[in-house]
Amino acid sequence: KAGVTQTPRYLIKTRGQQVTLSCSPISGHRSVSWYQQTPGQGLQFLFEYFSETQRNKGNFPGRFSGRQFSNSRSEMNVSTLELGDSALYLCASSALLVSGTYEQYFGPGTRLTVT
Amino acid sequence: QKEVEQDPGPLSVPEGAIVSLNCTYSNSAFQYFMWYRQYSRKGPELLMYTYSSGNKEDGRFTAQVDKSSKYISLFIRDSQPSDSATYLCAFEKNSGGGADGLTFGKGTHLIIQP
Repeated sequence: KAGVTQTPRYLIKTRGQQVTLSCSPISGHRSVSWYQQTPGQGLQFLFEYFSETQRNKGNFPGRFSGRQFSNSRSEMNVSTLELGDSALYLCASSALLVSGTYEQYFGPGTRLTVT
Repeated sequence: QKEVEQDPGPLSVPEGAIVSLNCTYSNSAFQYFMWYRQYSRKGPELLMYTYSSGNKEDGRFTAQVDKSSKYISLFIRDSQPSDSATYLCAFEKNSGGGADGLTFGKGTHLIIQP
């Protein structure tokens, strides 16, 4: 089974621009979460989508937004980019196992550099 | 007090040694406990997942949770150079499915010397 895929893998943008990142979850997974990883703050939760609905959101400004499509693919958008938005953006998908527990799987991430 | 404390390392041990990685947490609401491994320029990979106090073993890996002390550990037996990576502890409050968002430690950089 194919893993979580993210596109693009690398991106360079200029301050003030906007960016859209894409994530395709593992087939059959309906929950998609987004995280930001920086050397200083580590991995931080951005938001989670399930069946096209945002169920939870982390402590990030409104410049960070996302959406999920009917096929469970998800996009996140960052508007008015700031230098501090340079980070590795990770997408994770999860599904309920037969055991009744969940497991969450991460993609390789998109490395965003803002200049 | 930080919600999760994890020593960033680096932790350097010889091949074949037993490795002990630890995290402490302060949020009593955390009910699900995970360990992820992250290689350089890769996404985190789930190693262990548990939701109760006690030990859980999977091959060379053993996860230990002590809810009363708010302390979790990951032990790696017969460590190999390929185990060299950053190890992240992660916690979740309610659903266990990622909906609440995972809270991560900063990660411990582990180096296994051949």
